[in-house]
Amino acid sequence: KAGVTQTPRYLIKTRGQQVTLSCSPISGHRSVSWYQQTPGQGLQFLFEYFSETQRNKGNFPGRFSGRQFSNSRSEMNVSTLELGDSALYLCASSLGVGGQGGSEQFFGPGTRLTVL
Amino acid sequence: GNSVTQMEGPVTLSEEAFLTINCTYTATGYPSLFWYVQYPGEGLQLLLKATKADDKGSNKGFEATYRKETTSFHLEKGSVQVSDSAVYFCALRSGNTPLVFGKGTRLSVIA
Repeated sequence: KAGVTQTPRYLIKTRGQQVTLSCSPISGHRSVSWYQQTPGQGLQFLFEYFSETQRNKGNFPGRFSGRQFSNSRSEMNVSTLELGDSALYLCASSLGVGGQGGSEQFFGPGTRLTVL
Repeated sequence: GNSVTQMEGPVTLSEEAFLTINCTYTATGYPSLFWYVQYPGEGLQLLLKATKADDKGSNKGFEATYRKETTSFHLEKGSVQVSDSAVYFCALRSGNTPLVFGKGTRLSVIA
């Protein structure tokens, strides 16, 4: 069974630009979560989607947004990029959410975003 | 809110040494506890988990026991290998809240 895939793996943008990252979950998984990983802040939760609905949202500004499609694939978008947005963005998929059975999360390799 | 505290790294050990990485948590309800491992240039892999008090998770020689009385989930391995060098994250999830991670502990094992 294929794992979680994320595209692109590496991205370089300049301040003020916007970026869209893509995540394809494991087949059959309906939940997708996004995390930002930086050396200073560690792993921080961005959002969680289940069946195209946002179920949880982390404490990030409105420049960070996401969506999930009917095939469970997810995208996240960051507008008006800032230097501090440079990070590894990780996507994780699971069968369900929270206390539901099968909520164990499987992570993709991440997208390394560098903002210059 | 939920939080996880794990020991600061880096931890450097010789091959075949005993490993302990401490993890304590604060959570509402009855959380599930996890250890994830991240190898250089990769995403996170689930190493082991425990979903209720006194459960022991184990995988690849690593073990951790869910201790409700001490709110701890310490990771142990009896004999580490060079290939165990990675960053280890303790995490918890309670109810419908998202996964909450500790800051990670970098382990380096030298031959």
